[in-house]
Amino acid sequence: DSGVTQTPKHLITATGQRVTLRCSPRSGDLSVYWYQQSLDQGLQFLIQYYNGEERAKGNILERFSAQQFPDLHSELNLSSLELGDSALYFCASSPGQGKNSPLHFGNGTRLTVT
Amino acid sequence: LAKTTQPISMDSYEGQEVNITCSHNNIATNDYITWYQQFPSQGPRFIIQGYKTKVTNEVASLFIPADRKSSTLSLPRVSLSDTAVYYCLGGDSNYQLIWGAGTKLIIKP
Repeated sequence: DSGVTQTPKHLITATGQRVTLRCSPRSGDLSVYWYQQSLDQGLQFLIQYYNGEERAKGNILERFSAQQFPDLHSELNLSSLELGDSALYFCASSPGQGKNSPLHFGNGTRLTVT
Repeated sequence: LAKTTQPISMDSYEGQEVNITCSHNNIATNDYITWYQQFPSQGPRFIIQGYKTKVTNEVASLFIPADRKSSTLSLPRVSLSDTAVYYCLGGDSNYQLIWGAGTKLIIKP
C-alpha cells in the first residue's frame, strides 16, 4: 500500500460530460502529480502541484484542469470528454517538489468514455 | 528534453539474474536515475534510485558508470512475480519526469 488514495476506482461516462477525479496524497507529502496512461502506453505527465501551488505542467489539455486544496488533496477535472480520454489516470505524491524525489503512486482511476 | 531509451521487452527464467539497461545520453548534471516497476492496472512502484556508481537495496541493484549516460537495473534471482514493466527515469531541466515506454519483462517457469 503506497498510502496514496484515488477515487473513484472506475468511472464510466459519455462523451461531452465532465468528471472529477480525486487524490489523497501520502501523509506528509506536499507534492501531487497527475498522469494519464492509455492502453498499453507509457505514462504521460499532466501536472504537478506543490503545497497548493502549480509547480510544473506537462501535456495537459485545455479541457483538463486540476487543483490542490489546503488539506493537500487534489482533484483533476476533465470536461467535454472525448472517446480518446479513456485511460487510467494516476495520482502520485512525494515529500518534496524536485524531480529527484521518488514518487508514490495510487492505483488509479479507470475512466471509460462511451 | 532528456530522454531515456530501454529495450521494449525481455524474457528470462525463474532463478536467473536479469539486467535491464537504460541509456540517458542527455541527463542533467543534478538529475538522479530512478527505476519503477508497474504491474497491469496498478500504479508504478519505486524500486531504486542512484546518482553514480552502485546502489543496492533489498530488491535490486543499480549500476551507473562514471559518464552517467546509461544505467543498469539488476534483479537477482527473479521469480514469476517479477513479470512487469520496468521504467527508467531521468528528469529534465523543466522539473518534469520523462517516462519512456518501459521494458516489459516476462519471467518464465
